Amino acid sequence: SQQGEEDPQALSIQEGENATMNCSYKTSINNLQWYRQNSGRGLVHLILIRSNEREKHSGRLRVTLDTSKKSSSLLITASRAADTASYFCATPTGANSKLTFGKGITLSVRP
Amino acid sequence: SAVISQKPSRDICQRGTSLTIQCQVDSQVTMMFWYRQQPGQSLTLIATANQGSEATYESGFVIDKFPISRPNLTFSTLTVSNMSPEDSSIYLCSVAREQDQPQHFGDGTRLSIL
Repeated sequence: SQQGEEDPQALSIQEGENATMNCSYKTSINNLQWYRQNSGRGLVHLILIRSNEREKHSGRLRVTLDTSKKSSSLLITASRAADTASYFCATPTGANSKLTFGKGITLSVRP
Repeated sequence: SAVISQKPSRDICQRGTSLTIQCQVDSQVTMMFWYRQQPGQSLTLIATANQGSEATYESGFVIDKFPISRPNLTFSTLTVSNMSPEDSSIYLCSVAREQDQPQHFGDGTRLSIL
């Protein structure tokens, strides 16, 4: 079963706007990770936030984590057409940190 | 981060045949994983490839259908056996150096079965 559930499932915005994507999960976690996938290619790791962190930044990306609500958000500021992709949250489970992925969010940024 | 080469990048296969996908990493890594991504879907873990021992399969995946080899710390193969149209997916390998570290993915193998 899916550990992470993102919403919305699809998001369409204008270039320059901010995009906010949310992820909820079910069980306790050590960390939560966000990945991007361009057009059916491999996934690119964006950011990892640990359970004792509340917020993390990387360039135009800001990730928050609320362990009490079992939720995380990914904010992309000043979006660009190149940000058009699918975004997944993922949480490690089990002894070998295998990842369980959410269903993903399709982001379209219109030029 | 590790550089991962996955081959082939895509293939079109006949029903009932088998295909072996290779995953080569430019450095030694402890953990390697194989995922399947069906059209329009998220990623599902097939198995963890263990160096020197049998792979650990997830529920719904069996060794006879998806045999995996991992002869060393930089290389693994996934075979999709006796393929049917339902096996049409993207297959991805990923690696992680340590527990609770990000995984790095190959570009995937896009497989279509006729």
